[in-house]
Amino acid sequence: DTEVTQTPKHLVMGMTNKKSLKCEQHMGHRAMYWYKQKAKKPPELMFVYSYEKLSINESVPSRFSPECPNSSLLNLHLHALQPEDSALYLCASSQVEGGGAKNIQYFGAGTRLSVL
Amino acid sequence: LAKTTQPISMDSYEGQEVNITCSHNNIATNDYITWYQQFPSQGPRFIIQGYKTKVTNEVASLFIPADRKSSTLSLPRVSLSDTAVYYCLVEAAGNKLTFGGGTRVLVKP
Repeated sequence: DTEVTQTPKHLVMGMTNKKSLKCEQHMGHRAMYWYKQKAKKPPELMFVYSYEKLSINESVPSRFSPECPNSSLLNLHLHALQPEDSALYLCASSQVEGGGAKNIQYFGAGTRLSVL
Repeated sequence: LAKTTQPISMDSYEGQEVNITCSHNNIATNDYITWYQQFPSQGPRFIIQGYKTKVTNEVASLFIPADRKSSTLSLPRVSLSDTAVYYCLVEAAGNKLTFGGGTRVLVKP
């Protein structure tokens, strides 16, 4: 099973709403990632969790708050977003963090977020 | 600053070989180079990974020169279903994971 499951697939929210994106994997991977992807652009790394601890935060605004409750789950809590935050949010996992041979990332299908 | 660059787009015809080169001038010493394929409204999907010289699997080959400042993904005998965006991913010195800008490959009948 090489599946990374993201929910919801689509989300529309107002600028005052609070919502959460969820990601789940059961491959025993110890690194999990959040990416943001705008149309016709490559994915941009937001956060990396390694062994359930936040390892990398790529200077993401505090209105995005990641959480890793256990080794299989990754959440992204959203609050007071701006219209320019509308994008495809991708979750990925890999055996370990880093650029080595075990860092093949498996991606979910993403959550398409629209902020009104 | 690390820079990972790819051609923006490439057209091909069914049955031809497609070669896409990614330049990564600041790749970390121990980092592997990984290529992904992405279809619209889907997440990227792993194609192939390599460290040096040549790697081949059932769908592609990856050529990496000795200086490792570039890599070339080779897709043999493409079909219409290979129309997608292809990304290289490297970890630059400083541990920053960086995708290339992506190459849109259009395979024509």
